[in-house]
Amino acid sequence: NAGVTQTPKFQVLKTGQSMTLQCAQDMNHEYMSWYRQDPGMGLRLIHYSVGAGITDQGEVPNGYNVSRSTTEDFPLRLLSAAPSQTSVYFCASSYSVHVGADSGANVLTFGAGSRLTVL
Amino acid sequence: AQSVTQPDIHITVSEGASLELRCNYSYGATPYLFWYVQSPGQGLQLLLKYFSGDTLVQGIKGFEAEFKRSQSSFNLRKPSVHWSDAAEYFCAVGPRGSNYKLTFGKGTLLTVNP
Repeated sequence: NAGVTQTPKFQVLKTGQSMTLQCAQDMNHEYMSWYRQDPGMGLRLIHYSVGAGITDQGEVPNGYNVSRSTTEDFPLRLLSAAPSQTSVYFCASSYSVHVGADSGANVLTFGAGSRLTVL
Repeated sequence: AQSVTQPDIHITVSEGASLELRCNYSYGATPYLFWYVQSPGQGLQLLLKYFSGDTLVQGIKGFEAEFKRSQSSFNLRKPSVHWSDAAEYFCAVGPRGSNYKLTFGKGTLLTVNP
């Protein structure tokens, strides 16, 4: 049980290049999401998915693309990298449990992060 | 829009001293609440969470947090800090029913002096 696996751990790109950050989870979690972490900004949600074939935008989606063809994988694509996308990226997965009368209580499991530098 | 405020960017304490990290949130309804810790160069580890029930929740590594609805706060405490607690701490909130989307505070960096 590897949890949430992100690759690569480090990447340097030139402006305008494209790349994909990979995220895989082996816990059969329904929900997956991508966050970026910038100094002094905390983590901000980029995109999320509530199941295979279903994705939606978070707080900072511009410049990023996602798809969810399987439950296990949730890649994040940068189509034309910009220096403003220099950041540490975290993928997370979670499943929903009932808490009393509430449904949808989730505990997120995070990957180890991918540090991206765009020159 | 929901927001999370961690008023202290950086806190320094001596080893063995008590610790309180503040977290205030702005939300339409009582959200689910979390504290995460991040050691340098590492991912995020869940310290504790509040879904419902007892407003004082216990977490790992001797941490606890108290949810105060009237103050919209979820402060993190530890009675005696260890040098290994030096890290960055993040408070996060998520909406009931769909808290797979979290809103994070900007973090508090904890330095522990010997």
